[in-house]
Amino acid sequence: NAGVTQTPKFRVLKTGQSMTLLCAQDMNHEYMYWYRQDPGMGLRLIHYSVGEGTTAKGEVPDGYNVSRLKKQNFLLGLESAAPSQTSVYFCASTPGLAGGRSQETQYFGPGTRLLVL
Amino acid sequence: AQSVTQLGSHVSVSEGALVLLRCNYSSSVPPYLFWYVQYPNQGLQLLLKYTSAATLVKGINGFEAEFKKSETSFHLTKPSAHMSDAAEYFCAVRPSGAGSYQLTFGKGTKLSVIP
Repeated sequence: NAGVTQTPKFRVLKTGQSMTLLCAQDMNHEYMYWYRQDPGMGLRLIHYSVGEGTTAKGEVPDGYNVSRLKKQNFLLGLESAAPSQTSVYFCASTPGLAGGRSQETQYFGPGTRLLVL
Repeated sequence: AQSVTQLGSHVSVSEGALVLLRCNYSSSVPPYLFWYVQYPNQGLQLLLKYTSAATLVKGINGFEAEFKKSETSFHLTKPSAHMSDAAEYFCAVRPSGAGSYQLTFGKGTKLSVIP
């Protein structure tokens, strides 16, 4: 299993440009999450999904959109990037009830570093 | 609503010394609590979790944590620090029971180990 993978690993954008970050998991997990990590701020939840076709807002959703058309993929979109969105973005997934003792362990991807100029 | 506070954004210990990373939580319902570790340029990895079974929880790499309801704490300890323990550690909380498994993370504590 590859686990949770994220594409791309690093990206530079100009203000106003758009892009999509892709998260893929091959563990058949029900739940998926997008976080951003900023120095001294810990991880903050942007959006999450409790199943294919469903999404919900987290703590800091403004400026981002998400989609989960397939169970294994969770896309994070920036429609018009701003310098304040410079951050490291992490995707995570959780098995849910079918995962037994691991049902709530979050499995993280390696992150995407985004720089918005 | 729930939150966690990690005391000390940076902790330094000597190799072989006790590691103590502090986490206090606030939750309106019984919480589940977690410690995650992040090595440089990597994602987070679960160290251990408390989900209302034993209050003393043992995790990977020799770490353990004790849930103390009276003190609303879940401090992480390791008897003897190793150089490989240098990383950033995050405490996280969520309400007990089923749900979206959504976690609220603390701001993190960076652990340095001095040879």
